[in-house]
Amino acid sequence: QVQLVQSGAEAKKPGASVQVSCKASGYAFTNHYIHWVRQAPGQGLEWMGLISPSGGSTSFAQKFQGRVTMTADTSTTTVSMELTSLRPEDTAVYFCARDGAVVPTDGDNFYGMDVWGQGTAVTVSS
Amino acid sequence: SSELIQPPAVSVSPGQTARITCSGDALPKQYAYWYQQKPGQAPVLVIYKDHERPSGIPDRFSGASSGTTVTLTISGALAEDEADYFCQSADSNGEYVFGSGTRVTVL
Repeated sequence: QVQLVQSGAEAKKPGASVQVSCKASGYAFTNHYIHWVRQAPGQGLEWMGLISPSGGSTSFAQKFQGRVTMTADTSTTTVSMELTSLRPEDTAVYFCARDGAVVPTDGDNFYGMDVWGQGTAVTVSS
Repeated sequence: SSELIQPPAVSVSPGQTARITCSGDALPKQYAYWYQQKPGQAPVLVIYKDHERPSGIPDRFSGASSGTTVTLTISGALAEDEADYFCQSADSNGEYVFGSGTRVTVL
């Protein structure tokens, strides 16, 4: 079945970096963008950016520009997200989510984030 | 980025209808999407492109759009529908935006 499996929880100190991975299976990896969304404790969802696994092109929310990197490895069907210069307010659960549109068939259409990873808790504390 | 406003909470009796609104200036030009999230779980897409339902989502979930407001309706709410619901859209810069979320209580 289609699934995204994320790496385990991380505990980091302020100023450090964290990398979260997301392994896709059950579908054509290069045919769907992957989004990253985070959720601080007790808060709502916040979109961070997306990556196209087929060519590696990315788009980031302005808030995270310069601090986030996303990469895709087609040999392992894994997408990774790295966030640098961590601060306590980056404490959150980080989710990867598949874009429902099929690239390039669906063009610029967006069909929602139709498959989600289980989430990775990242705690930033001194 | 555009803001999406949702009521913090909605209560509904079992078998009755719950309506959750989401308001934003970009909504007349952008589609809306709805996600259900239960405690400790990842979100689940329940409505896309204002009113389309993904396969596997019960038909008691429906969506509608009117001007700057979109609405998610749960007709004949069940105890299992108790969850947080988030609307989502896009702004003019191509960034994806989520609403603040609505906690639906079935009691």
